[in-house]
Amino acid sequence: AQKITQTQPGMFVQEKEAVTLDCTYDTSDPSYGLFWYKQPSSGEMIFLIYQGSYDQQNATEGRYSLNFQKARKSANLVISASQLGDSAMYFCAMREGNTNAGKSTFGDGTTLTVKP
Amino acid sequence: DAMVIQNPRYQVTQFGKPVTLSCSQTLNHNVMYWYQQKSSQAPKLLFHYYDKDFNNEADTPDNFQSRRPNTSFCFLDIRSPGLGDAAMYLCATSRDMGFNQPQHFGDGTRLSIL
Repeated sequence: AQKITQTQPGMFVQEKEAVTLDCTYDTSDPSYGLFWYKQPSSGEMIFLIYQGSYDQQNATEGRYSLNFQKARKSANLVISASQLGDSAMYFCAMREGNTNAGKSTFGDGTTLTVKP
Repeated sequence: DAMVIQNPRYQVTQFGKPVTLSCSQTLNHNVMYWYQQKSSQAPKLLFHYYDKDFNNEADTPDNFQSRRPNTSFCFLDIRSPGLGDAAMYLCATSRDMGFNQPQHFGDGTRLSIL
């Protein structure tokens, strides 16, 4: 079974609108972290936001927020007020505390296109 | 700024000719990773170093080797590149192996095989 599932290969959003990128995960490890990374067409992978399994509140970083629903095992990324520069591929990733410690499992990514 | 630097940004080599990609970091992180990423796919972990301890993924071909002579530098050697090795190679670091540690990536080296 896939550990990280991103069901949206591509998404479109109008500039200045909000968009949600979906991510579901599968683990039996009680200690885990969920990460979102942005990869523009130039190739560099940029860390955006982190949510820990024990965190009580949803993470936020500027225009990025993480909608963490632990019981449903989902960790959706919300980008508010989309900008043209947000067009990129977005990867959801997980690190487990005890299983495969130190290694990240990546989803297949979602390509986001922001329309002017 | 502290960062992860990969050189070169673009590398062209001939089929079967050895090639070395380099990565350096100023973050003083303990863990360094090498990933292979093919077009529009998720990065695939090749191996990682925790300090001097080398950890190879089970499905990493023998053609791929790595060296970490010190904390700051890590190299990826491809002994006999084949056409299937054309890809983006990403170097990443993390402070340690904890589940709460994000990875910090370099800009990548895009490898082409002629």
